[in-house]
Amino acid sequence: NAGVTQTPKFQVLKTGQSMTLQCAQDMNHEYMSWYRQDPGMGLRLIHYSVGAGITDQGEVPNGYNVSRSTTEDFPLRLLSAAPSQTSVYFCASMSLLWEQYFGPGTRLTVT
Amino acid sequence: GQQVMQIPQYQHVQEGEDFTTYCNSSTTLSNIQWYKQRPGGHPVFLIQLVKSGEVKKQKRLTFQFGEAKKNSSLHITATQTTDVGTYFCAGLAGTASKLTFGTGTRLQVTL
Repeated sequence: NAGVTQTPKFQVLKTGQSMTLQCAQDMNHEYMSWYRQDPGMGLRLIHYSVGAGITDQGEVPNGYNVSRSTTEDFPLRLLSAAPSQTSVYFCASMSLLWEQYFGPGTRLTVT
Repeated sequence: GQQVMQIPQYQHVQEGEDFTTYCNSSTTLSNIQWYKQRPGGHPVFLIQLVKSGEVKKQKRLTFQFGEAKKNSSLHITATQTTDVGTYFCAGLAGTASKLTFGTGTRLQVTL
């Protein structure tokens, strides 16, 4: 039982490049979400999903796309990377008891 | 939108001293959760409080949910170096599916 996994662990992008951050969970949780964490800003919700085929925007969705074709996977796409998207990205899934489990994170630098 | 503030932002204590962090929401919450994040790690779920005035204990940690369900606190008795990290509260408001995280309190414990 791996919990929530994220790849890659580290990534460096040039401005304007696109990429996908992968997230998978093996706990059969319906609810999954993406956060970004910046120093002094806490965790800010980017997008979330309450089940396969259903996604919604969080607090800071601009510049990011998500899709949820299966219960297990919830990838986050950066359409055209900008230096302001340099951050640590966490994926999380939530149990029916509202307990949220986080992945190990992806540290992204955009130059 | 909903805002969740935490104070203090940072606290440095000597091992054995007590520590308290406070969480205040701009709106009434249906539940509040607490997470701990070690340096370089990911947030880990600690506990969830649902009822007005609820108090829960985990060994040296005591969590309280305010009577008005707009504030919460985490108290650590006799801190240890293993308590080092950032403590976040996160609130769920009404029927919303989005958790809003506080800005976190970073705890440093020295011998």
